[in-house]
Amino acid sequence: EAGVVQSPRYKIIEKKQPVAFWCNPISGHNTLYWYRQNLGQGPELLIRYENEEAVDDSQLPKDRFSAERLKGVDSTLKIQPAELGDSAVYLCASSPWDWDTGELFFGEGSRLTVL
Amino acid sequence: SQKIEQNSEALNIQEGKTATLTCNYTNYSPAYLQWYRQDPGRGPVFLLLIRENEKEKRKERLKVTFDTTLKQSLFHITASQPADSATYLCALAGAGSYQLTFGKGTKLSVIP
Repeated sequence: EAGVVQSPRYKIIEKKQPVAFWCNPISGHNTLYWYRQNLGQGPELLIRYENEEAVDDSQLPKDRFSAERLKGVDSTLKIQPAELGDSAVYLCASSPWDWDTGELFFGEGSRLTVL
Repeated sequence: SQKIEQNSEALNIQEGKTATLTCNYTNYSPAYLQWYRQDPGRGPVFLLLIRENEKEKRKERLKVTFDTTLKQSLFHITASQPADSATYLCALAGAGSYQLTFGKGTKLSVIP
C-alpha cells in the first residue's frame, strides 16, 4: 500500500514569491492534516480536513496561507507571498475515519527554503 | 499555557543498554499520548499509543508508561541498537480533540 505522497520534496524560492505543496493521502483516509516543522521543533498543526471540509484551521496564517482539498482526496497548501520565516518542513499526514486507533501517517515532507 | 517538555534535546547511550526518554506536560489533560520516531529528512513514524486509563504499553523492545498524576510519560527502548538512533517525539491529544500537540523531540544516539 502506498504511503502519503508529497511533492516537491525540496523548494528554494526568493521571498515574496508564491509556493505550493501537494499531498496525496493514503487511499481511504478521509482525514488529512498539514503540519509545519521548524528546525529542532516538533510538528505544529496548520489545518485539518475531514473529507473536503476544513474542520480546524485556527493555526493557519490566513493572510498568506491557503489550503484546499477538492473532492476530499488530494490537497494543496499555498503560501503567497512567502516570507523568510516560512522556511520549514511542511508535513502532510492522513488518518482513517476511526481515529480511535490514534495513528497518523506522515509523508516525507516538503522542505521550503526562503531566501 | 499548555506545555510539553521532552527531557533533553540529545541522549547518548551505549549499545545494548536501555534508553529512557521522558515526556512531561503541564496545563493539559490528555486522553491519548503517542510516541513517534523521526529519521533525518523523513516524516515521523508512529510507534505506540497509550490512553489515559492505561499505565503501560509494550511493543517488542519498546515500552511506554503513562502517569497522569506525575503528568509524565516514559519511553524505554531495551537492548538498544545503533539502528535505534533517531529523534523521538511525544504527542498528546485532549479528550474529544483531534489535535495532536507535539514535543520538540529527543535525539537518541546509540553508540556501538
